Amino acid sequence: SQTIHQWPATLVQPVGSPLSLECTVEGTSNPNLYWYRQAAGRGLQLLFYSVGIGQISSEVPQNLSASRPQDRQFILSSKKLLLSDSGFYLCAWSRQGGSPLHFGNGTRLTVT
Amino acid sequence: GESVGLHLPTLSVQEGDNSIINCAYSNSASDYFIWYKQESGKGPQFIIDIRSNMDKRQGQRVTVLLNKTVKHLSLQIAATQPGDSAVYFCAENGGGTSYGKLTFGQGTILTVHP
Repeated sequence: SQTIHQWPATLVQPVGSPLSLECTVEGTSNPNLYWYRQAAGRGLQLLFYSVGIGQISSEVPQNLSASRPQDRQFILSSKKLLLSDSGFYLCAWSRQGGSPLHFGNGTRLTVT
Repeated sequence: GESVGLHLPTLSVQEGDNSIINCAYSNSASDYFIWYKQESGKGPQFIIDIRSNMDKRQGQRVTVLLNKTVKHLSLQIAATQPGDSAVYFCAENGGGTSYGKLTFGQGTILTVHP
């Protein structure tokens, strides 16, 4: 069966510090990978998606970037965090060609 | 812009009752819809999905109904249990080819009382 792992589960970072959130998927190959953000009390917003190694599409302009160095690894980064970057970040995967999107358990990021 | 929204932000039911959560969408190009359940501190969990060539799809204790004429989606939960208490999100794909590029509604909080 397929599993998706995100870490860390929670993170508190000062404004201006860098960020690196990691996500890995097991049990499948060549998945589509996604980063979503969920603001408190709101729905999810797609930030980035990737259909293959090194292929990143950005959905909204922001202070964040994404990379996919390996087939089943997806990384969300920032060089300098802003207060507005606080939120719940969710990694997700789906099969190529279509399948429901499956989420990890997220990283709660608080920028202070 | 196009959006997906929910009629009711909160829903309280008694254990054993049936629950109905509603969702309206505005993008007529959407051809794939999906419901998620999210418990506190966790990621959304897939419940059921439906494509636009169907009006109804059933799972275990859940049914999704799609009315394309009025752009309305609903999730029915039979014999609701306390463990069903969570936030429920509907989402749609905007007619794109990706099943993962979803637009989410704001969510409905379902509370089940024993």
